[in-house]
Amino acid sequence: TQLLEQSPQFLSIQEGENLTVYCNSSSVFSSLQWYRQEPGEGPVLLVTVVTGGEVKKLKRLTFQFGDARKDSSLHITAAQPGDTGLYLCAGGPGGFKTIFGAGTRLFVKA
Amino acid sequence: SQTIHQWPATLVQPVGSPLSLECTVEGTSNPNLYWYRQAAGRGLQLLFYSVGIGQISSEVPQNLSASRPQDRQFILSSKKLLLSDSGFYLCAWSLSGGRLYGYTFGSGTRLTVV
Repeated sequence: TQLLEQSPQFLSIQEGENLTVYCNSSSVFSSLQWYRQEPGEGPVLLVTVVTGGEVKKLKRLTFQFGDARKDSSLHITAAQPGDTGLYLCAGGPGGFKTIFGAGTRLFVKA
Repeated sequence: SQTIHQWPATLVQPVGSPLSLECTVEGTSNPNLYWYRQAAGRGLQLLFYSVGIGQISSEVPQNLSASRPQDRQFILSSKKLLLSDSGFYLCAWSLSGGRLYGYTFGSGTRLTVV
């Protein structure tokens, strides 16, 4: 059974700090996605990475897919209160069976 | 542009009562449709997915069922709810299997079975 483990589970930081959250698996994924979810809402797709070693940037967010396509990281520079939310990684071997991690809950204090 | 609507937003139902959650998609044709359940502190669990009208695949044995009576309509049902059915239910759509373009989720239904 493929699993995605996210760490840390919870992170509380001050505005302006940098942070990195991780998504790890023992299995290889054909692609990996990151979502952000706010309370009472559905997740919103941030990025999809498909190539080992791939790095994508979205404003202050940097996403990296591991060379072996088993792990990924999300780095946020100069976090802002608007970055607060649950960050989910999701990966799939292909087809319809995408697996979601349990998420990292980020709280950025002003 | 594509939009996805899911309702109701919240629902409190007694044990043993029936359930019907509805999801509709606008702005696209022949989408793949999904029902997920999210429990506190856990990832999203895929319940059902559908690649076309009347085509339903179930991922988890349970007392829930799904139907797709129209191309852009997906319904989650139960004849008799259990306490363990409480959770946050999310409908989603994708192009193909979601591998490249990801999933677009509805705003969810918070179901509490009492």
